[in-house]
Amino acid sequence: QQQVRQSPQSLTVWEGETAILNCSYEDSTFDYFPWYHQFPGESPALLIAIRPVSNKKEDGRFTIFFNKREKKFSLHIADSQPGDSATYFCAASERGNNNAPRFGAGTKLSVKP
Amino acid sequence: DPKIIQKPKYLVAVTGSEKILICEQYLGHNAMYWYRQSAKKPLEFMFSYSYQKLMDNQTASSRFQPQSSKKNHLDLQITALKPDDSATYFCASSQQAPLFGEGTRLSVL
Repeated sequence: QQQVRQSPQSLTVWEGETAILNCSYEDSTFDYFPWYHQFPGESPALLIAIRPVSNKKEDGRFTIFFNKREKKFSLHIADSQPGDSATYFCAASERGNNNAPRFGAGTKLSVKP
Repeated sequence: DPKIIQKPKYLVAVTGSEKILICEQYLGHNAMYWYRQSAKKPLEFMFSYSYQKLMDNQTASSRFQPQSSKKNHLDLQITALKPDDSATYFCASSQQAPLFGEGTRLSVL
């Protein structure tokens, strides 16, 4: 059973556009939602994360929007750059700092110049 | 300098053999994890440890055995290797969101 669903599988945007990546989850005990990006040949790297006490978290060009009622969250990448081209993974973990996140299947983002 | 060290970076094994993947972290984290990544199942959670105790095991096969000799070590022993075990194995540690090591790329022939 897939605990975290991610869409789309791949996404292409032009430089300067906003890329929107979507995730949903089933388990109500999830309360921490990080996003990672992964470049080819590298390991996943933490990008930004949110807890449900907030419905929005910003860090530069990256913003998470969170909808607790619908159990959905999304990553918006504003002013996309070719260097943002990577695979993005959303994740969710249960309460408690040591609970391992479960990851979505990933969105491969391509930003065309 | 990498704070989570995985060894080896690349590993080639024959079917039926046994290998140990090494992981050490120097971040002072209490929780450590193993994830596996392949074309079939991206970032699949395998094990989590906290204070050297197994907290969660999502690996169906007993051929995969984590081993924690020290608080900052979490090795992964894989026995009776199969070609389907070919993947990149990531060790991670955290206080909150996991930080990943560089991975061990395992190919089973």
